[in-house]
Amino acid sequence: SQQGEEDPQALSIQEGENATMNCSYKTSINNLQWYRQNSGRGLVHLILIRSNEREKHSGRLRVTLDTSKKSSSLLITASRAADTASYFCALISSGSARQLTFGSGTQLTVLP
Amino acid sequence: DTGVSQDPRHKITKRGQNVTFRCDPISEHNRLYWYRQTLGQGPEFLTYFQNEAQLEKSRLLSDRFSAERPKGSFSTLEIQRTEQGDSAMYLCASSSSGNKETQYFGPGTRLLVL
Repeated sequence: SQQGEEDPQALSIQEGENATMNCSYKTSINNLQWYRQNSGRGLVHLILIRSNEREKHSGRLRVTLDTSKKSSSLLITASRAADTASYFCALISSGSARQLTFGSGTQLTVLP
Repeated sequence: DTGVSQDPRHKITKRGQNVTFRCDPISEHNRLYWYRQTLGQGPEFLTYFQNEAQLEKSRLLSDRFSAERPKGSFSTLEIQRTEQGDSAMYLCASSSSGNKETQYFGPGTRLLVL
């Protein structure tokens, strides 16, 4: 079973608006990562946040991590039509240094 | 383009046939992973190689599945006696020892079993 679960499953916004996606998980983690997947394509790594970090920025991306609530959020500011994609959180459990466990993803649609 | 390539990109086969997929990781990456992704879901881990050694296998990897990485470079994933339930996107990823946490994914091989 997948340990990371994203919310919402689908999100539709207008270009220029901000998009927030949430991820909840159940186990202890070493780090949590966010990936993007354009339709029918491979995944692209966006950002990694470690278990001892609370917030991280990369360009228009802002990720937060709350290990007490076992949750993370991904904020995309000033969205563009090109941001339309599926976004997945992925985690590496404390017991594994290798495999990523993905959630079921949030499908983001940015309308021009 | 992440530098990880997969071949073929699409495969249509009839139930009961064998199929083989190839993954070429980023050249300096010694870690290689296979994942399977069905429609509307996130990828699920199948197996992991460090150099030529297969160190981890998921319970999803039934006896009909076999993966190899003979020289520690490219890898192959074979599915024998395919079933309709094998229809999925098969993704390969690689990472380096220096940054093993970040995996770089290939474009995937989409398999359709009729």
